[in-house]
Amino acid sequence: QLQLQESGPGLVKPSETLSLTCIVSGDSISATTYYWGWIRQPPGKGLEWIGNVYYSGTTYSHPSLKSRLTISVDTAKNQFSLTLTSVTAADTAVYFCARVPVTSGWHFDSWGQGTLVTVSS
Amino acid sequence: DIQMTQSPSSLSASVGDRVTITCRASQYISRGLAWYQQKPGKAPELLIYTASSLQSGVPSRFSGSGSGTDFTLAISSLQPEDFATYFCQQTNSFPWTFGQGTKVDIK
Repeated sequence: QLQLQESGPGLVKPSETLSLTCIVSGDSISATTYYWGWIRQPPGKGLEWIGNVYYSGTTYSHPSLKSRLTISVDTAKNQFSLTLTSVTAADTAVYFCARVPVTSGWHFDSWGQGTLVTVSS
Repeated sequence: DIQMTQSPSSLSASVGDRVTITCRASQYISRGLAWYQQKPGKAPELLIYTASSLQSGVPSRFSGSGSGTDFTLAISSLQPEDFATYFCQQTNSFPWTFGQGTKVDIK
């Protein structure tokens, strides 16, 4: 049974770097039929796609975040990560990681529970 | 970016009602459309992908239709556990974008 679990600090200071990891269990992150993605949701607002990563390291990122964003994968640890630099209050959100099947259209078929990251001094 | 517009933004309905939610894309997206249900404090859950394919384990009262720019999510007979917020998402081209959400609450 697939499980995804986000981990990382819940509080980050403005201008600093936000780092999150998604630990995958119950499936191999090296499976060729999946990408792995990040999505965020500011409190009380809608969903925003952040980016996707393949086991090979291929990434797709939101253009508005691309200059600050790094998404990487660690196949040995079966996890993938997000790093966002120079954060502001606008980056305060619940961050979700999710799995993306690639053989039946693109979509998020399984999600982590999400982790709230607050940007504040 | 492709803009996804859902309507209505909210609706009130009763158990047993048929409910429809529409999602319009600002550009052609073929059938690259997914629907999610989200309950308060929880992660979204996939209902429909490629516009009309029912995700495994999702009740058959949920259905999706449409292609191109206009899409619909229908719930044939609303159940108590269906009161939630619903989002559409286009995955035809990057950056992927979501609709603003439709909140379904109890009349």
